[in-house]
Amino acid sequence: KQEVTQIPAALSVPEGENLVLNCSFTDSAIYNLQWFRQDPGKGLTSLLLIQSSQREQTSGRLNASLDKSSGRSTLYIAASQPGDSATYLCAVFSGSARQLTFGSGTQLTVLP
Amino acid sequence: DAGVIQSPRHEVTEMGQEVTLRCKPISGHDYLFWYRQTMMRGLELLIYFNNNVPIDDSGMPEDRFSAKMPNASFSTLKIQPSEPRDSAVYFCASSLGGVQPQHFGDGTRLSIL
Repeated sequence: KQEVTQIPAALSVPEGENLVLNCSFTDSAIYNLQWFRQDPGKGLTSLLLIQSSQREQTSGRLNASLDKSSGRSTLYIAASQPGDSATYLCAVFSGSARQLTFGSGTQLTVLP
Repeated sequence: DAGVIQSPRHEVTEMGQEVTLRCKPISGHDYLFWYRQTMMRGLELLIYFNNNVPIDDSGMPEDRFSAKMPNASFSTLKIQPSEPRDSAVYFCASSLGGVQPQHFGDGTRLSIL
């Protein structure tokens, strides 16, 4: 059974810092990995999707990397802003389960 | 483009009552997913449909839960009878193709008293 772990559970940084969120998964037989953002009381917004054949994806100040063999992904946020404050969720689409398995998220607070 | 639309946004009801949650997926999407989010268990997949057909309902916690998708633009998740432990946020998501990005609705926050 696929398990997804995110570290740290919570992170607080001053505005302008670069930061890294970590995600690990137990079964490397994945189709893709997605990073989502969730604001309080809202649904999930897809930020980046990395196919299993890719190593990284970039969107603006966000860069996500994937190392399938080691079961790890990182989300790098450059020059953080207070508007980046949210919970960030990692999810893997597993070949065996044919479904998304989510981590428990990292709650990010960017202080002005 | 309209996103995934869920209703109601909030539902408060008493234990034992029937609860029906509704979802309208993005037009043209052929996959629809129902998730439940709680503090204790995070986000869990309950059931998903492909072309209106239920494919995997192994995440449905009990027989009290049922889901239907009568057509490509509408799905319901029903709980009967409801219990306090069903209190959670229920999300619907849709995608074009099973491995493509899933688009989530804003969820229904359900409280069972």
